[in-house]
Amino acid sequence: DSGVTQTPKHLITATGQRVTLRCSPRSGDLSVYWYQQSLDQGLQFLIHYYNGEERAKGNILERFSAQQFPDLHSELNLSSLELGDSALYFCASSVKSTGELFFGEGSRLTVL
Amino acid sequence: GENVGLHLPTLSVQEGDNSIINCAYSNSASDYFIWYKQESGKGPQFIIDIRSNMDKRQGQRVTVLLNKTVKHLSLQIAATQPGDSAVYFCAENLPSGAGSYQLTFGKGTKLSVIP
Repeated sequence: DSGVTQTPKHLITATGQRVTLRCSPRSGDLSVYWYQQSLDQGLQFLIHYYNGEERAKGNILERFSAQQFPDLHSELNLSSLELGDSALYFCASSVKSTGELFFGEGSRLTVL
Repeated sequence: GENVGLHLPTLSVQEGDNSIINCAYSNSASDYFIWYKQESGKGPQFIIDIRSNMDKRQGQRVTVLLNKTVKHLSLQIAATQPGDSAVYFCAENLPSGAGSYQLTFGKGTKLSVIP
């Protein structure tokens, strides 16, 4: 158990819909990263938050957004969903001074 | 999480033998490299890391070798056990100056341990 909690574990929705994925980092970790894992693209960095502020953006679509709240949990919002958004979405947290990321078990999104 | 891709490179190793998993990374400016292990239904798990100012680092039963000349990384697992069966990813980090580790992951190698 990495200490990172993600909900929901599975989500099935339709094209055009909007979903919110939630992540609770390990106790004491200020950094939260979001990654997408798909069959064709592998693991791709989406976005990084540190102590409530956005630090870096990767290959995140404009239809996607994220935020980190004062209690350090984070949410990834995916809107106008397309079939190609079906993937595993991972959250990871870390101690600021290292790149050792602790990943949650992921949220599997299926868009029908 | 499921294995990435339908055509992952696969390495089959007899239990007790040593395993070597290779990775070619893409950016010569990358300064930090990590190996992750992903078991079925789980998120990636950190195994070992190495900074670009080193060429070898050892952990418990694992060794990472870095060859910057040819942009190559390898993971050696000693006395491979059935519990080592998983997909292994190398990841590289490009320094961003923002205190952010934007890891670029490789496609992964599936290790199967034969009892």
